[in-house]
Order: sequence, then structure tokens, then C-alpha cells
Amino acid sequence: AQSVTQPDIHITVSEGASLELRCNYSYGATPYLFWYVQSPGQGLQLLLKYFSGDTLVQGIKGFEAEFKRSQSSFNLRKPSVHWSDAAEYFCAVGAHQAGTALIFGKGTTLSVSS
Amino acid sequence: DVKVTQSSRYLVKRTGEKVFLECVQDMDHENMFWYRQDPGLGLRLIYFSYDVKMKEKGDIPEGYSVSREKKERFSLILESASTNQTSMYLCASIREDNEQFFGPGTRLTVL
Repeated sequence: AQSVTQPDIHITVSEGASLELRCNYSYGATPYLFWYVQSPGQGLQLLLKYFSGDTLVQGIKGFEAEFKRSQSSFNLRKPSVHWSDAAEYFCAVGAHQAGTALIFGKGTTLSVSS
Repeated sequence: DVKVTQSSRYLVKRTGEKVFLECVQDMDHENMFWYRQDPGLGLRLIYFSYDVKMKEKGDIPEGYSVSREKKERFSLILESASTNQTSMYLCASIREDNEQFFGPGTRLTVL
């Protein structure tokens, strides 16, 4: 079955520290991969996406993610976290067929301590 | 700037009421989606539409219906609202490269 697992429900990181949010997927074919962020009371905003090519992708707000096919992972990283990064983060996987619905993980809530 | 809008940010309804949630996108996208979001459960797909007047059930369609009379508008209908439908509802449309664009969400409370 197709699924996305985000093992960490809640993570707390000190401001200025590095961040890694984990994402593992189970998918029958080569997937499209996405990370979205949701600030409190808001909709989801795309941080970055992987379709093909270079397995290290850069996104907005200083985020990056690395696709590792052998580990079925697409972990999100940021070298130095800012207080404004506190939000909920969702990993998602989709098919290469245009217009198909994404499958989302259950999300990881990031808190930033000062 | 691309945009998906939802008719209400917050909505309070009573059990048994018929509820309409409206979603409009201005990107001329073919496919649109309705999700509900609950703590610890992530986003779950209720219905999607791949063309005007076309619809498909998602993972949790029970208690919901949808309407797509125009390409830009996709409505979610709760025929008889129940307390277990209290949730955040997110609408999205999708580009050809499968990037989804989300509306701000409607937080529905059913009393």
C-alpha cells in the first residue's frame, strides 16, 4: 500500500540549531515528493519538491531535502532554524501521472525554543 | 499570484444542518480536491474532481457530497452535519506537474 510516514510527531529545536525532519515513503513506482509547511490557522505552502534529477533539492526559506531511493526517504533539513519556522510540516508523495492526488504523512510539529 | 480561496475561514453549524463549503481557484486547473485535516491524522482526501461535473470518491467520502458546475469552483456539501464532522477543511487544486495549491482552510464546528 502507498503511504508516507513521518516518525516524529513533535520536535523542539533551539533557535539557530540545525533541523532534520524525517520522511519515509512506500510507493510502487518512482514518486514525486513534496514538503509542505502549515503555519497556525493557515493553509499549506509548498517548501520544495523533487521530480527527478539531482537528489538534493533546494526550497524556500533556506530548506533543502535529499531523496534517497535506497532508503525510501526524503528528509527535510535546515542548517539554522529561526523562530518563525515553528509550524507543522507535511511530507507528501504523488504519482508521475498528472493530476493525481497526493498522499500525505501525518505531519511533524516543530517548536523553536529561544 | 496563484490563488485558491475558500468562502469561510470559520463556520459554526448545528447538527443536522446542510452545510456548503465553497472553493474557487483562478489558475484554470483541471483537478481539484477536498481534504479534511484532524490532529494526528494529517490530511485525508474526501473527494476530488478532474473535470466539470466529474467527481471521484477519496478515502473518506461518507457523509459528504461535492459539486463542480464550473471549472473554477468546487463545493463540498455536508448533507446533514454531525459533530464528528467538526474539522479543518482544505481545498486544493493541482497543476500539471502535480504541485498542489491549497486554500487557507475552513474550520468547521458542528454543535
